[in-house]
Amino acid sequence: EPEVTQTPSHQVTQMGQEVILRCVPISNHLYFYWYRQILGQKVEFLVSFYNNEISEKSEIFDDQFSVERPDGSNFTLKIRSTKLEDSAMYFCASSELEGSGSEAFFGQGTRLTVV
Amino acid sequence: AQSVSQHNHHVILSEAASLELGCNYSYGGTVNLFWYVQYPGQHLQLLLKYFSGDPLVKGIKGFEAEFIKSKFSFNLRKPSVQWSDTAEYFCAVNAVNAGNMLTFGGGTRLMVKP
Repeated sequence: EPEVTQTPSHQVTQMGQEVILRCVPISNHLYFYWYRQILGQKVEFLVSFYNNEISEKSEIFDDQFSVERPDGSNFTLKIRSTKLEDSAMYFCASSELEGSGSEAFFGQGTRLTVV
Repeated sequence: AQSVSQHNHHVILSEAASLELGCNYSYGGTVNLFWYVQYPGQHLQLLLKYFSGDPLVKGIKGFEAEFIKSKFSFNLRKPSVQWSDTAEYFCAVNAVNAGNMLTFGGGTRLMVKP
């Protein structure tokens, strides 16, 4: 069964450092997403991406965040200067069709710890 | 903006007990509704979804959910749980014609005792 894969599974970084979280969506999917879950809180939407551009983003997704699809397979989330409050589990997801009509498939997540 | 609430944060059941997990959402328009499950160490997986039609939807592994529009609810049920159902369960909503994002509830951690 095809799946979304994320690397690394766990990343520890110092405050102020840049991190890049990587995702390989399912190959025939066209819509890509990042969500995050701070420990003990809800899973929150960050951004959706289609046709090489951001289609939606939440208030959380400020100038510190960026997404990119550098090649035909990877989808990355970059945090330029990490803060303690960025510590969370970050989930990548992809869907074949637009969200309203399509199931989103999730990766296993990357646990980011900012120290 | 839509929001989702799940009433139970932790549920402990014995095997063969019946399960009902509550989910309520707030949004005035049309919604698509989902239940996802996350088994320990694994990714979020779709259990079932409601887009339209019969408000009683059946999913994988014997789960079902009923959409009650008047109550803004989409409760998850299973008549007889197994130890392997131990997981965290997330209700999620997508507002139709308002974008692709899913809005999640806080999750319910289910432990089934053998």
